[in-house]
This record gives sequence, C-alpha cells and structure tokens, in this order.
Amino acid sequence: AQKITQTQPGMFVQEKEAVTLDCTYDTSDQSYGLFWYKQPSSGEMIFLIYQGSYDEQNATEGRYSLNFQKARKSANLVISASQLGDSAMYFCAIPISNFGNEKLTFGTGTRLTIIP
Amino acid sequence: KAGVTQTPRYLIKTRGQQVTLSCSPISGHRSVSWYQQTPGQGLQFLFEYFSETQRNKGNFPGRFSGRQFSNSRSEMNVSTLELGDSALYLCASRRTGSGSYRNTGELFFGEGSRLTVL
Repeated sequence: AQKITQTQPGMFVQEKEAVTLDCTYDTSDQSYGLFWYKQPSSGEMIFLIYQGSYDEQNATEGRYSLNFQKARKSANLVISASQLGDSAMYFCAIPISNFGNEKLTFGTGTRLTIIP
Repeated sequence: KAGVTQTPRYLIKTRGQQVTLSCSPISGHRSVSWYQQTPGQGLQFLFEYFSETQRNKGNFPGRFSGRQFSNSRSEMNVSTLELGDSALYLCASRRTGSGSYRNTGELFFGEGSRLTVL
C-alpha cells in the first residue's frame, strides 16, 4: 500500500524567507505522481504542484517548487519568499495503487505559520 | 467558473441518526470523489463516482454510501451515526474519470461539510 510521511507537524517561518516542507513516500508502482495541496482554515484543499515520477526536471509553479529525489523517495515542497497568506496546512499525496490519480493517499500534513 | 459546492457546511447530529451531504462539482466535471478528514486518521478516501456509477471505494463500513445523479451532482449518506464519524467531509471533482493527471487535471476540492456527532 502507498504511504506518505510528513515528519514536520508544525513550522514557524519569518515572512519573506524560503521554507522547505518534507515529504517521503513509499510505493511499489513504477510510474506515479506526487501532489502537494494547501488547506487554509476554510477547509478547502487547494492544488499547488504535481511531480511525475519520470519527469526529468523538478516541477515549479510560481513560488512553489519540488525538490524531487526519486532514489530517496523524497518530494519536498519549497516555498520561496513566504507570505502571510501561506499560513495553512500542507499535504503531500500519492495516488492509491490500482486506482487513478484522482484517488489519493495523503500524509498527515505540516502546519505552516508565517510570522510577520 | 464556480468551484465545487458542498452543502451543508456545518451540521450537528446525534448518535444513531443518519445524514446526507451534497456536492455539486465544477461544471463539466464528471468524476466526484469523497474524502473524510479527522484529526486522528487524517484524510482518507471514501469513494469515487463517475457517470452515476461508483467505481472505487475506500476502506469504510457499509454505513457509508453515496450516489451520483445524471447532472454529476453527488450525495453521500452515513447511516446509524457514531461519535467517530465526526469529521470534515470533502468532495472533489475532476474533469474526466480516468487517465493520468496530465490528461485530466488535478482534483478540485470543495470547502467541506463539517459533521459533529453528539
């Protein structure tokens, strides 16, 4: 079964600094994707970024980038120039094996707090 | 365009009752998935519907059920509520029902229905 591990339950970061949120995963699939979602206090899960396991380059989306290390099964999210609005829960996710990319296993999340 | 809409946003029930939650996906999205989020178990996949058919189901008891209508709107039902069913129930829609992310896009989530069972 797929498993996602996020070892940082909470982080405090000064505004405008960069922050790295850790994610390691376990999967027996040869081809897979990794997702990061943000969940503000409103509850909605907001898609941030996707990395395909066979992508040659690390994914980037604006201020978000992935530090993808396939051999180590690691997909850390990097947020550059953090903003107060980045304060939220962040979840790493991987598709449930034998399902499709729309059925995901999520990690326990990291609560990020940006300090002014 | 309008996002995924879930109703009600908040509700309180007592043990033994049943509850029905509703989800309206983004227009044109035919796949609807449901997730349960609790502090103890985190986010867990409940089931997924596509074209009015349940295609996949997570590891939940039969008290949890759902359906999808011809307009892609979905409902989930929990019968004989237990205290442990207190959770945020999230609905997510996707443009098509299968294929890789690159072909069909990401999951779009609603803000959830927060259920409290007393």
